[in-house]
Amino acid sequence: GNSVTQMEGPVTLSEEAFLTINCTYTATGYPSLFWYVQYPGEGLQLLLKATKADDKGSNKGFEATYRKETTSFHLEKGSVQVSDSAVYFCALSSRNSYSTLTFGKGTMLLVSP
Amino acid sequence: GAVVSQHPSWVICKSGTSVKIECRSLDFQATTMFWYRQFPKQSLMLMATSNEGSKATYEQGVEKDKFLINHASLTLSTLTVTSAHPEDSSFYICSAPPGTSGGKSNEQFFGPGTRLTVL
Repeated sequence: GNSVTQMEGPVTLSEEAFLTINCTYTATGYPSLFWYVQYPGEGLQLLLKATKADDKGSNKGFEATYRKETTSFHLEKGSVQVSDSAVYFCALSSRNSYSTLTFGKGTMLLVSP
Repeated sequence: GAVVSQHPSWVICKSGTSVKIECRSLDFQATTMFWYRQFPKQSLMLMATSNEGSKATYEQGVEKDKFLINHASLTLSTLTVTSAHPEDSSFYICSAPPGTSGGKSNEQFFGPGTRLTVL
């Protein structure tokens, strides 16, 4: 079956530091890959996505590249801000069931001034 | 983007009572909605797929009679936790793919979640 593994948190960084949150997946075929963000007290929001190998998703300074050879979709940002503090979820949906999402456990990011 | 709301945002109830959670798509219609359960420091686990006008599809291990789902309209799905017990305490989240795509879109919009605490 499908599964998503992402690094455990919390990840604690100072403002303007470089961020990497690792995500690897197991899936049959060619899944679509997503990063969702959950700010305190809010629902999950789609941050970025990639639908095929070598695609790069980007939004709000965050980037992730779909690496089929390493089955990875690591999230990166060059300079984090305090407002980026949130929980980040890596997820995939398989071609066989477009809307069914399989989530990682989430990684909490804490950015201090 | 599209907005999905949930009500209530949190609820505390006594063991043995039933609790209803509503999920609404505010500015779009959704023939399909999803219900997830999230335990502390755990991932979101899909419980069931709610289909407008037909029965919900439950994931393996989810009790249909325990978690009743009704998708009465294109903008509303409800999850009723029947005879709730402390082990049902959790964070329940709904989501919906946009439009009447029948679930064929790979994007979803999520509600803010409902925190259920059963005493």
